[in-house]
Amino acid sequence: NAGVTQTPKFQVLKTGQSMTLQCAQDMNHEYMSWYRQDPGMGLRLIHYSVGAGITDQGEVPNGYNVSRSTTEDFPLRLLSAAPSQTSVYFCASTRGTSGADTQYFGPGTRLTVL
Amino acid sequence: KNEVEQSPQNLTAQEGEFITINCSYSVGISALHWLQQHPGGGIVSLFMLSSGKKKHGRLIATINIQEKHSSLHITASHPRDSAVYICAVNYLGGATNKLIFGTGTLLAVQP
Repeated sequence: NAGVTQTPKFQVLKTGQSMTLQCAQDMNHEYMSWYRQDPGMGLRLIHYSVGAGITDQGEVPNGYNVSRSTTEDFPLRLLSAAPSQTSVYFCASTRGTSGADTQYFGPGTRLTVL
Repeated sequence: KNEVEQSPQNLTAQEGEFITINCSYSVGISALHWLQQHPGGGIVSLFMLSSGKKKHGRLIATINIQEKHSSLHITASHPRDSAVYICAVNYLGGATNKLIFGTGTLLAVQP
């Protein structure tokens, strides 16, 4: 199993550009989520999904959209990039939707918005 | 005040030392996670626990639900243990499986 994969690993955008961060998992996990990691702060939840066709907002959803058309894929779209969105983005998945499940993280995407 | 607090924020140890990292939380939880992140690297789950104690190799994690406190211990530390260690909790009052993260403890083990 590849686990959780993310592409790209690095990306530089100009203010106002849009892009999609890709995330895929091959473990048939129901729950997938997107976090951003900023210096001096804990990871913060952007959006999450408890199954195909179901998504919901996390703590910091503004400026981001998600969709979950399949169990495997959970892309994160930046609609109009802003410098405040410069961050490292992690996708994660867990087997079920209860709290007591091991978290599997992707390798991260380092995004810089100029 | 953060719901999840870790201490210390930074820790330097000599190879072979016994290391303890602490995590305190202020909310009701269903589970607590310890995660490891190497510099520039991804995040790996070390432990998930809801009571008692778990051991994996040189790593031991304990939790005291009544005191809302968990510790991560590393015995016979090695330079390859140098990483950021992150505590996260599954918040009982929130939506299913939402995690609240601490800001991490940066550990450097010197040879």
